Order: sequence, then structure tokens, then C-alpha cells
Amino acid sequence: KAGVTQTPRYLIKTRGQQVTLSCSPISGHRSVSWYQQTPGQGLQFLFEYFSETQRNKGNFPGRFSGRQFSNSRSEMNVSTLELGDSALYLCASSLEVVRAQETQYFGPGTRLLVL
Amino acid sequence: GQNIDQPTEMTATEGAIVQINCTYQTSGFNGLFWYQQHAGEAPTFLSYNVLDGLEEKGRFSSFLSRSKGYSYLLLKELQMKDSASYLCAVRGRQTGANNLFFGTGTRLTVIP
Repeated sequence: KAGVTQTPRYLIKTRGQQVTLSCSPISGHRSVSWYQQTPGQGLQFLFEYFSETQRNKGNFPGRFSGRQFSNSRSEMNVSTLELGDSALYLCASSLEVVRAQETQYFGPGTRLLVL
Repeated sequence: GQNIDQPTEMTATEGAIVQINCTYQTSGFNGLFWYQQHAGEAPTFLSYNVLDGLEEKGRFSSFLSRSKGYSYLLLKELQMKDSASYLCAVRGRQTGANNLFFGTGTRLTVIP
């Protein structure tokens, strides 16, 4: 079974631009979560989608948004990019959202550099 | 709020045992996870604890004390390939929520 895939793997943008990142979960997984990883802050939760609905949101500004499609694929968008948005963006998928022990499986991430 | 602390870096010798500690203060608790992340790669799941006690899985074991807000990951018979970052993550108690709160990770270096 294929793992979580993310595209693109690397991206360079300039301040003020916008960017869209894509995530395809493991087949059959319906929950997709997005995280931002930086050296200083570690992994921080952005948002989670389940059945095309945003179920949970972290403490990030409104410039960060996302959506999920009927096939469970998800996209996240960052508008008006700032230098501080340079990070590794990780997507994680899991089967269900209600079981506490449900394990999340991470994709390889998209490394975004904002110049 | 959520606060998860773990040491930033640790060094251990090949063949030895190392214990990586994690303390947490979260609004609600619904399980604690340990992930391994090699440089430039995705985090991979190691263990899950929701009840107090020790969970053993091969060379890796994870311990949880909910009353103390404390967990540790124990790695035995260290191998060079164990050099990686180890991430402690807590799931808060929120119905239907799947998000994890991560510590900043402990970078373990295994030396010959």
C-alpha cells in the first residue's frame, strides 16, 4: 500500500506570493492533518480534515487555509507569504478521527523557502 | 495551553541504553506518542501509551505516568542507525480531534 505523498517536495517563493501544497493520504484513510515544522518551534499543528470538513484548527493566522476533497486528498494554501513561513510542511493521514490510539502516518513533507 | 518538554540533544554509545524523557502539561490527555525522525525524512510511529506503565516493542520501550505528566522512551542495544530525532507528542482530550501536540524533539547521536 502506498504511503502518504506530498507535492511538491521543494518550493521557493518570494514574500507576498501565495502557495498551494498537496497531500494524498494512504488509501482508505479519511483523516488528514497538516503540521508546520521549524527548527525553533518543532512540529506545530495547523488543521485537520475529515470527510471534507475541517474538524480542528491550530493557532495560525487566517493566511493559512486548507480543504479536503471527496477522495480525501487535501490541499493547504498560504497567502501573502512571509519570511517566517519558511518551514517543512508535513501532512499526516489516519483511518478514523474518533479513536484515541489511531496512529497518524506522515508524508515526506514539502520544504518551503520564502525569500 | 499545551507544554511539552524534552531535552534538545543527547549522545550515547553504540550498544548502550539511552532514556529520552518527556514531560507534558496539556488541557486534557488522550494518549502519548513517540515518533522517530531521521534528518530529511518523515516522522515514523514508534509507540503509543494511554495507560500508566511500560510498553515494550523490541529494542524500544515507552513508559507513561499520567499523574506525573511524564513519559520516557528507552532504546536498548543502540545502533548507529538510531541516530535521529525523537519526538514526543500528546493528543488532547477533544472529541473527534486527531491533532497532536509535539515537543521540539530530542536529537540523539549514537557514537561508535
